[in-house]
Amino acid sequence: EVQLLESGGGLVQPGGSLRLSCAASGFTFSSYAIIWVRQAPGKGLEWVSTMGVSFRNTYYADSVKGRFTISRDNSKNTVYLQMDSLRVDDTATYYCAKGRVSGWDGGDRWGQGTLVTVSS
Amino acid sequence: DIQMTQSPSSLSASIGDRLTITCRASQGINTYLAWFQQRPGKAPRSLIYGASYLQSGVPSRFSGSGSGTDFTLTISNLQPEDFATYYCQHYDSYPFTFGGGTKVEIK
Repeated sequence: EVQLLESGGGLVQPGGSLRLSCAASGFTFSSYAIIWVRQAPGKGLEWVSTMGVSFRNTYYADSVKGRFTISRDNSKNTVYLQMDSLRVDDTATYYCAKGRVSGWDGGDRWGQGTLVTVSS
Repeated sequence: DIQMTQSPSSLSASIGDRLTITCRASQGINTYLAWFQQRPGKAPRSLIYGASYLQSGVPSRFSGSGSGTDFTLTISNLQPEDFATYYCQHYDSYPFTFGGGTKVEIK
């Protein structure tokens, strides 16, 4: 069974850092893209970042560019989202999702999400 | 950046109804469009990709259509579990923006 499990969320002060993990199982991890999407409380979905199958294929929303870094460790079937210089408006539930193919085309599986709260 | 506009933002419907949600792109995106369902307190669920292709396991009462700038998600014979918020997302070029969502409520 395909599963994605996010972890690493929590409470952090503005300017701080967190590293989110998306641990995958049930499929050939190295062959699929993984994305991060976030949802601020009571708001809609916002695409954050995409990790393609190649380590060079990384993409970011303007709102996080230069502060967040996505990476993957195929030996651990895990994608990471390193979040630095966190701001109050980064507060959200962060979801990872698996692409249907090597790129993103709507995906087919989502994790349950991890909550990040940025507050002093 | 390509903007995605959904309408309506919310609607009320009854069990058994047929409803249509519209998503408009600010520029042509071919059929690089996906639809998602999100029930309250839950993670999103992928419904449709390529504007009209159902994800495995998605009931056939869901259907999608459109190309270029105008797209629709239709739900026939609305069921209790279909009351949720629906989002479109394009994946034509980065950034892959979502629409604002359409909340489907029980009448």
